[in-house]
Amino acid sequence: GQQVMQIPQYQHVQEGEDFTTYCNSSTTLSNIQWYKQRPGGHPVFLIQLVKSGEVKKQKRLTFQFGEAKKNSSLHITATQTTDVGTYFCAGNKLTGGSYIPTFGRGTSLIVHP
Amino acid sequence: TAGITQAPTSQILAAGRSMTLRCTQDMRHNAMYWYRQDLGLGLRLIHYSNTAGTTGKGEVPDGYSVSRANTDDFPLTLASAVPSQTSVYFCASSDSPTVNYGYTFGSGTRLTVV
Repeated sequence: GQQVMQIPQYQHVQEGEDFTTYCNSSTTLSNIQWYKQRPGGHPVFLIQLVKSGEVKKQKRLTFQFGEAKKNSSLHITATQTTDVGTYFCAGNKLTGGSYIPTFGRGTSLIVHP
Repeated sequence: TAGITQAPTSQILAAGRSMTLRCTQDMRHNAMYWYRQDLGLGLRLIHYSNTAGTTGKGEVPDGYSVSRANTDDFPLTLASAVPSQTSVYFCASSDSPTVNYGYTFGSGTRLTVV
């Protein structure tokens, strides 16, 4: 079955440093989505990437979708304490007429002030 | 506020007992999903429903059952709970199973089976 690997599992940074998390899928994806989960909270949708090589930005967050539509990355520039949380990617593949997402295991970001 | 309501927020359940986790959405989304979240394992799909009246099995369906009698409700039932079902359970929905603009998650149910 489809697998989505996400690394690293944890990342400690000093406030102001950059952060990147990576997702790799075993199969070509229809789209990939990114979610943020604050400690004690629930996942919240951030963005969706659909096109090969697509790059999207949300303020200090930059999302990329690989040319082969099998990998993706989330980069945060100059982290802030408000960025603390776990970031998940979800790979979607249209199978049997519907999307069934496969989530990566997440990267927990810890920002030290 | 529109969204997904899950109940209860938390529960301690004796092993062998049954329990139904409730999930209701008011967004008229067609597709709904149940996930369990365990430390280090991320979100794993238990069951899903593409539309009212249909359900499907996810990655970890054993020990769980679901029904989808209408668009708004998608309850998850544990027939005979076991300690390995201790987890945080999230219900999610999307507007369509074939046109995906992201999943909306409920606030979760923290279940402890003792």
